[in-house]
Amino acid sequence: DIQMTQSPSSVSASVGDRVTITCRASQDISSWLAWYQQKPGKAPKFLIHVASNLQSGVPSRFSGSGSGTDFTLTISNLQPEDFGTYYCQEANSFPLFTFGPGTKVDVK
Amino acid sequence: EVQLLESGGNLVQPGGSLRLSCAASGFTFSSYAMSWVRQAPGKGLEWVSSISPSGETTYYADSVKGRFTISRDNSKNTLYLQVNSLRVDDTAVFFCAKASGTYRGNDYWGQGTLVTVSA
Repeated sequence: DIQMTQSPSSVSASVGDRVTITCRASQDISSWLAWYQQKPGKAPKFLIHVASNLQSGVPSRFSGSGSGTDFTLTISNLQPEDFGTYYCQEANSFPLFTFGPGTKVDVK
Repeated sequence: EVQLLESGGNLVQPGGSLRLSCAASGFTFSSYAMSWVRQAPGKGLEWVSSISPSGETTYYADSVKGRFTISRDNSKNTLYLQVNSLRVDDTAVFFCAKASGTYRGNDYWGQGTLVTVSA
């Protein structure tokens, strides 16, 4: 089974900051990685697919990169509505998949 | 507008059973794989099970294999999860999620239904 790790587990940042979250897969998953944002009490929101492609309607301040085992989600110009927890999802064997443990983003 | 509405969650004793449902609307249900994802209180997301568009192929996480059964009724646009032999650590909000179809990911999610396993 593919294992996913994320770092950091939490981050506090100010409005306007650039935030970078890293996700690592235990084996090569090519570019089959997605990112989700989840706010407390809500369902996850699909942000990025195939490592770097923004889902329709997602602000351009979100970007993704990486391939193989190492991936990055970057939020540039952090906004107050960007607080929440971010999860990566390996989709190498979709519709079987594994989520990373999550990264909580607090806005100062 | 795509909508997914879960139901069936409840308080149940260890060893008990429930059937969760997810009513879908706003898209051609029979064309998409569907999944169940759960989230224990204060914890992260855990994939539970997925099913192919026709229902012929099913997939399960090791943690639920043999206890949970996913199914779908394409004539009723409804996804199901039969959960048996429930354990305390199965306590979670269960979300149903639609596969993107174009990309490998889940583009729409329901609001979740809470399953609480406690004596």
